[in-house]
Amino acid sequence: TQLLEQSPQFLSIQEGENLTVYCNSSSVFSSLQWYRQEPGEGPVLLVTVVTGGEVKKLKRLTFQFGDARKDSSLHITAAQPGDTGLYLCAGADGGGADGLTFGKGTHLIIQP
Amino acid sequence: DAGVTQSPTHLIKTRGQQVTLRCSPKSGHDTVSWYQQALGQGPQFIFQYYEEEERQRGNFPDRFSGHQFPNYSSELNVNALLLGDSALYLCASSLNPGTGTNYGYTFGSGTRLTVV
Repeated sequence: TQLLEQSPQFLSIQEGENLTVYCNSSSVFSSLQWYRQEPGEGPVLLVTVVTGGEVKKLKRLTFQFGDARKDSSLHITAAQPGDTGLYLCAGADGGGADGLTFGKGTHLIIQP
Repeated sequence: DAGVTQSPTHLIKTRGQQVTLRCSPKSGHDTVSWYQQALGQGPQFIFQYYEEEERQRGNFPDRFSGHQFPNYSSELNVNALLLGDSALYLCASSLNPGTGTNYGYTFGSGTRLTVV
């Protein structure tokens, strides 16, 4: 059974600070996806990383896929209150039938 | 362009009853997956449907079953409901990538099921 561990589980910081969320596994994934979920809503896809060592940037968010494709990180620069939410990483095995394995998520609160 | 539509949004059922949840995928998508999300947890994969067949299944009992229709919409059925089945049920759609990489899913807002 593949597992994805996210850390930290909870994070509350002040507006303007930087933060990093980690997603680790002992398994190799063909791709890793990051989602953000707000209360009462479904997850919304932020980014997909596929190649080991890949780095993708989405405005103030930087996503990195580990060289061995077992781990990933999300770094937010100058966090804003609008970044508040549940951040989920999800791994895909590969191939067409890709039931995602999700981590438990990081609950992020940005205090104004 | 409508995204993934799920119905109903909320549902309260009694232990032992049966429930059917519905999902219409995003336009252009042909693959539908169902996930269960308990409070404070990440979603857990239930199963995926493609070409009207269950293609992959997670670690869920046979009480959970599904169906996909020719128009790609899908239903999730749960029989003999248990209190532990209370959760947010999410439907996600995508375009089948064949043997390639799936670059992400579009999720609906979910159905909040409460079993009492």
